[in-house]
Amino acid sequence: DAKTTQPTSMDCAEGRAANLPCNHSTISGNEYVYWYRQIHSQGPQYIIHGLKNNETNEMASLIITEDRKSSTLILPHATLRDTAVYYCIALLDTGANSKLTFGKGITLSVRP
Amino acid sequence: DVKVTQSSRYLVKRTGEKVFLECVQDMDHENMFWYRQDPGLGLRLIYFSYDVKMKEKGDIPEGYSVSREKKERFSLILESASTNQTSMYLCASSIHGTIYFGEGSWLTVV
Repeated sequence: DAKTTQPTSMDCAEGRAANLPCNHSTISGNEYVYWYRQIHSQGPQYIIHGLKNNETNEMASLIITEDRKSSTLILPHATLRDTAVYYCIALLDTGANSKLTFGKGITLSVRP
Repeated sequence: DVKVTQSSRYLVKRTGEKVFLECVQDMDHENMFWYRQDPGLGLRLIYFSYDVKMKEKGDIPEGYSVSREKKERFSLILESASTNQTSMYLCASSIHGTIYFGEGSWLTVV
């Protein structure tokens, strides 16, 4: 699995868009970019994933650069409940995901 | 709704005790995982299993063992608990790359 790097922390104002970056320069052609988040004292929660094209769901949008070496998770209207640690990981989207490892993630603080 | 259930939310055990952390998933997933999480260290993989009776070491397997006798159940065992195993333990299962986590088990070893 490709290694990903994220800033340690960032903050944004409530109601504004939160743009969370992730670098995955060694990602292989068949690895997907996955985003998870972990709210304090809870298990991590799946947010979104993508391969090449940008993706959007009810929670967020995922923008992947054309060279696939980086991506950005966008929370369009951040709320206080979005304060969490966000993890970006690169995975093969097959039934053979074996050693799923997470980095330290980025801590997003949404301020009132 | 998908469900990963960890048997105990909070446990306090004594040094040297044998500790079992149980995890059950109801989604017929083949892959299951145990992680521990400590402040400043993120999620660290202890063991994973991709089939019944199969297990593979993660990044920090020392001091732990696992058991997967049935597809839906993955147990983490601390043979002789030590204070440095005080942590939050997270179980997960996955299909393809989508991982479903339990709520976590907070273990304190005194």
